Amino acid sequence: AQSVTQLDSQVPVFEEAPVELRCNYSSSVSVYLFWYVQYPNQGLQLLLKYLSGSTLVKGINGFEAEFNKSQTSFHLRKPSVHISDTAEYFCAVSEPSYDKVIFGPGTSLSVIP
Amino acid sequence: GAGVSQSPSNKVTEKGKDVELRCDPISGHTALYWYRQSLGQGLEFLIYFQGNSAPDKSGLPSDRFSAERTGGSVSTLTIQRTQQEDSAVYLCASSLAPREQYFGPGTRLTVT
Repeated sequence: AQSVTQLDSQVPVFEEAPVELRCNYSSSVSVYLFWYVQYPNQGLQLLLKYLSGSTLVKGINGFEAEFNKSQTSFHLRKPSVHISDTAEYFCAVSEPSYDKVIFGPGTSLSVIP
Repeated sequence: GAGVSQSPSNKVTEKGKDVELRCDPISGHTALYWYRQSLGQGLEFLIYFQGNSAPDKSGLPSDRFSAERTGGSVSTLTIQRTQQEDSAVYLCASSLAPREQYFGPGTRLTVT
């Protein structure tokens, strides 16, 4: 069965500093991977997705993630964060043969001025 | 175009009452999902509809929860005999392919 682990429940980081939010998944087959963001008091929106091809995926707002099959990871990175990046970030996984999407518990990113 | 809509946006109900939450997916999206998000928690999968296939109900927490999707479009999540632990934000999402989900704004349910 699929599962998603986000080891860091909270990540404080200073403005303009780089950040990495970690995501690991478990699956015995190939996967699709996603990062969603939830800004305060808003709904979830897609940041980026990996379906196939290049393992480095670029998303909106300067975020990128790298799929590492051997480490079953899909860590999210941004070289310089802004106050507006303060939000909850969710990693998610699904299998190509089945649409069900499993979400991780989320990481709360707080950007400190 | 129109996104996923959910109604009501807020619902306060007394313990023991039944509630119905509605989701209007994006037109043409074949898949529809319901999730529950409790305060400070992640997304708990509840149920998944795909086209005319039987729904995946594996995430429903008890038999008090049920959902239907009429005509492959609108979905209703029903919670019978609500309990205080049912208080949460209920999120609906729809997708076409492949798997990118579009979320509604959610319904905040408070059981008093």
